[in-house]
Amino acid sequence: AQTVTQSQPEMSVQEAETVTLSCTYDTSESDYYLFWYKQPPSRQMILVIRQEAYKQQNATENRFSVNFQKAAKSFSLKISDSQLGDAAMYFCAYSPGNQFYFGTGTSLTVIP
Amino acid sequence: NAGVTQTPKFQVLKTGQSMTLQCAQDMNHNSMYWYRQDPGMGLRLIYYSASEGTTDKGEVPNGYNVSRLNKREFSLRLESAAPSQTSVYFCASSLLRRETQYFGPGTRLLVL
Repeated sequence: AQTVTQSQPEMSVQEAETVTLSCTYDTSESDYYLFWYKQPPSRQMILVIRQEAYKQQNATENRFSVNFQKAAKSFSLKISDSQLGDAAMYFCAYSPGNQFYFGTGTSLTVIP
Repeated sequence: NAGVTQTPKFQVLKTGQSMTLQCAQDMNHNSMYWYRQDPGMGLRLIYYSASEGTTDKGEVPNGYNVSRLNKREFSLRLESAAPSQTSVYFCASSLLRRETQYFGPGTRLLVL
């Protein structure tokens, strides 16, 4: 079975500080994609960052970066210089082919 | 360029009633997906269409049917709604399988 686990239901961070959200996944595949999506209160799902499993280099998008550990099946998201607008639910997702599998999400609070 | 659109935004049904959720994308994407989102459970895939003319079951297909009407449109039908189908439904599309998914704004469905 393909599963994605986000072990932190809730996290908080002070504005301008750094926070790391954890994600692990279970797979027997060697080629797949990993994603982090953000869902603010508006409910709109927004892509934050994407990582192809065949790439060893960790993906980076401005203040967002990942720590991809393929052997450990770990895919954490680091948010640097946290801003109030970063407050949202964050979902980790895994796709080996046609289907996508999402974790249960981490609710991030940003404290002014 | 509207991206992914969904109608309706909100619907109340009585148990046993039927309805169709509509989804359309204008990005010329090949793959389309239907998810449901329930509290504490993340997003779960109901059905997907990897390309025009094909549909396949996802993780939770029971009680639903889909139609890939053309490349742009992918509808989800509830033939006999049940309270367990109360949820928020998201449609998504991607250019190719495993690629980044773009989501619609969601449909809140309440089944009484």
